[in-house]
Order: sequence, then C-alpha cells, then structure tokens
Amino acid sequence: AQKVTQAQTEISVVEKEDVTLDCVYETRDTTYYLFWYKQPPSGELVFLIRRNSFDEQNEISGRYSWNFQKSTSSFNFTITASQVVDSAVYFCALSGRLLDAGNNRKLIWGLGTSLAVNP
Amino acid sequence: KAGVTQTPRYLIKTRGQQVTLSCSPISGHRSVSWYQQTPGQGLQFLFEYFSETQRNKGNFPGRFSGRQFSNSRSEMNVSTLELGDSALYLCASSLADASYEQYFGPGTRLTVT
Repeated sequence: AQKVTQAQTEISVVEKEDVTLDCVYETRDTTYYLFWYKQPPSGELVFLIRRNSFDEQNEISGRYSWNFQKSTSSFNFTITASQVVDSAVYFCALSGRLLDAGNNRKLIWGLGTSLAVNP
Repeated sequence: KAGVTQTPRYLIKTRGQQVTLSCSPISGHRSVSWYQQTPGQGLQFLFEYFSETQRNKGNFPGRFSGRQFSNSRSEMNVSTLELGDSALYLCASSLADASYEQYFGPGTRLTVT
C-alpha cells in the first residue's frame, strides 16, 4: 500500500519561530517522487518542491528547507524565521506506481498541516 | 506562460441538476487531473486524463465523469447533484505523469442547495 501521513493537523507559531512540518510515507516502489505543496487562504495550491527517491540531499531555498531520509521514510519541511505570509495548509504527496492499476503512477496526498503564524 | 485556468470560479446549483466545469492546462502539459476538496477531507482524487484518455480514476460514483479534448483542455461533469457535492474542485496539469509536479488552477467553488 502507498500512504502519506502528516501527523500534525494544525500548528500555531509566533512570527520568527522556526517550524517543522512532518511527512512520513509508505511505498514499495523503488523509484518514487515526493512533493510539497502550499495552499494559502486564497485556495490555489502552489508547488514547492519535488524530490526523487535517489536524491537524498537536503535542499534549502531561502527560509525553506527539506530533509529527506529514506531510512525513516520521511520528508520533513522546515520554515526558518516564519512569517505571517507562511500561514497556509501544507500538503505532502507521494508519486508511486500502482501495480494493480496498469503500473501507472498516481499521486497520493497527505491530509495536510494547517500552519498559523501569528504576529 | 499562462497558468492553469478554471471556469467558472463560483457556481450555485440545486439538487438534481448537473454541472460542467472546465479546465485549461498550461501550454504543453498533456496530463490533467481533477480533485475534490472539502473541509477536513483533504484532496480527493477524481480522475486523470492524458492524451484524451482517462488514465487513472479515484473512488467516486459514476455521476462524476470527465473528458479531455485534443488541445488538452478538460471538462468534468457531475450529474444529479447532491448536497454533499458542495466542494472546491481543483484542476491540475503536469507535463506527463505523476512523477512531475502538478500546477493547479484557482478552483471552482460549487455550492449545491
């Protein structure tokens, strides 16, 4: 089975705090892809990052950083010095093959973590 | 490059009616996916179209259907609307398949009364 778990339903922080959003996944696929998306209050989902299963290098983009660890099947997302504009729902997603569905890839989504950054 | 567009943005229908939503993907993107989003339910996958063929389907009743045209534009149709169909319907396009990032439209907010 393929699954994405975002155990934190809601997180509330004060501006300038660092915050880490957890994502744990399950897949039997050896080649898979992981994604993070942001959904601000306006509603439109925004792509943040794509990572394939063979690239375990951590990535940093400004205040955002991602920690991919295959050993623990986790792909966590950290926002450093959070800002009010970071308030959004963040989704983690996994792309793996469905062997019982013609070997097609399908995107499996976590339920999201709602982040509130308070001034 | 223009983003994904969806029309209409807002829709109010009554139970029993049917509705058609439209999605124009990013130029060059051949895969279009549809999602239903309701509070507390996350993103529920409806279906994915690629080159005018439905490639993947979620667990929704047959009242939900879709199609894709040769220019990659896609429509989804919901017949015999129920109150529970009230949701934000999101369309996403990607280059080829789910190994690529998806780009989302602003969504269509459907309210069924």
